Amino acid sequence: SQTIHQWPATLVQPVGSPLSLECTVEGTSNPNLYWYRQAAGRGLQLLFYSVGIGQISSEVPQNLSASRPQDRQFILSSKKLLLSDSGFYLCAWSGDYSTDTQYFGPGTRLTVL
Amino acid sequence: AQSVTQLDSQVPVFEEAPVELRCNYSSSVSVYLFWYVQYPNQGLQLLLKYLSGSTLVKGINGFEAEFNKSQTSFHLRKPSVHISDTAEYFCAVIELSGGYNKLIFGAGTRLAVHP
Repeated sequence: SQTIHQWPATLVQPVGSPLSLECTVEGTSNPNLYWYRQAAGRGLQLLFYSVGIGQISSEVPQNLSASRPQDRQFILSSKKLLLSDSGFYLCAWSGDYSTDTQYFGPGTRLTVL
Repeated sequence: AQSVTQLDSQVPVFEEAPVELRCNYSSSVSVYLFWYVQYPNQGLQLLLKYLSGSTLVKGINGFEAEFNKSQTSFHLRKPSVHISDTAEYFCAVIELSGGYNKLIFGAGTRLAVHP
């Protein structure tokens, strides 16, 4: 069966520091991968999605970036964090059709101070 | 453009009572519909989905939902809730419009089950 991992589970970072969040999927190949952000008391906002290695689409202009160095690895990064980057970051995977069901990881709680 | 409206931000209910969480969507084309549940500080877990066929869909944990195309609704129901059902519930839609199809979420409904 497929599993999705995210780390770290929680992170507290100062403003202006860099960020790297990692997501990996097991048990499937060539998945679509997604990064979402959930701000406190709000719904989910799609940040990036990827249909293959090195292929990244950005949904919202911001100081975050994403990379997909391997088929089942998806990384969310920032060079300089802002207070507004605080939130719960969720990674998801689906089959290689955009209409396929998305399955979510456990999430990373990021607090920027 | 598609959008998803969850009409209630919070729903308080007593244990063993029935519950309905409402979801309406706007779209001029066919859609796939989903309900996810999120327990505190956890990721989203798929409860159920409607892709085609029977409009009454049964999911995990005793939940079910009914797709009503004429009313563009996909309400979630459970006949008898437990304390452990306390969580946030998200309705989501994929519009089948060709090209890349994004999953659009509602703002969520917080279900609070009281003893």
